[in-house]
Amino acid sequence: AQTVTQSQPEMSVQEAETVTLSCTYDTSESNYYLFWYKQPPSRQMILVIRQEAYKQQNATENRFSVNFQKAAKSFSLKISDSQLGDTAMYFCALRDNNDMRFGAGTRLTVKP
Amino acid sequence: ETGVTQSPTHLIKTRGQQVTLRCSSQSGHNTVSWYQQALGQGPQFIFQYYREEENGRGNFPPRFSGLQFPNYSSELNVNALELDDSALYLCASSPGLGTTYEQYFGPGTRLTVT
Repeated sequence: AQTVTQSQPEMSVQEAETVTLSCTYDTSESNYYLFWYKQPPSRQMILVIRQEAYKQQNATENRFSVNFQKAAKSFSLKISDSQLGDTAMYFCALRDNNDMRFGAGTRLTVKP
Repeated sequence: ETGVTQSPTHLIKTRGQQVTLRCSSQSGHNTVSWYQQALGQGPQFIFQYYREEENGRGNFPPRFSGLQFPNYSSELNVNALELDDSALYLCASSPGLGTTYEQYFGPGTRLTVT
């Protein structure tokens, strides 16, 4: 069965610094996708970054990058040069079939 | 290009009542998934519709049902509401079926059951 675990309920970071959010997962499938979503107070779930399991290269989107360790089933998100607008809930998600399994989320606060 | 929209934004119902939530998928998208997000938790998959047929269901009872229309918009119906049904309901559309297609989320409907 799919499981996604985010062990950090809350984190904070100073503006302009770097922060890493952790995620571990489990799946029996060989082909799957991993995602990080951002959910600000407006509730809209926004895709931050995605990683295809068969690609060894870590995905990068501007200030956001991932450290994908397939053997360890680990998928962490690094946010560089944190901005006040990055304050939100961050969800790690796994999709290996038609459904998507989300972690419980990490509340990130960027402090000025 | 219009994104995914949901209506209503929020509503309050009484235990035992029935509710219908609506979702308009993004233009060109034929697949809609529904999620329930309880307060302080991640979204949980309810079911998915592809070209008007249910194609996958999570661990939700039969009183959660859905429809997808020829224009690919969708409804989520919940009968015999329970207090635990209070949550944010999210729909997401995608341009096709399968893991390669990205899901685009709507802003959600906040349901409160009293």
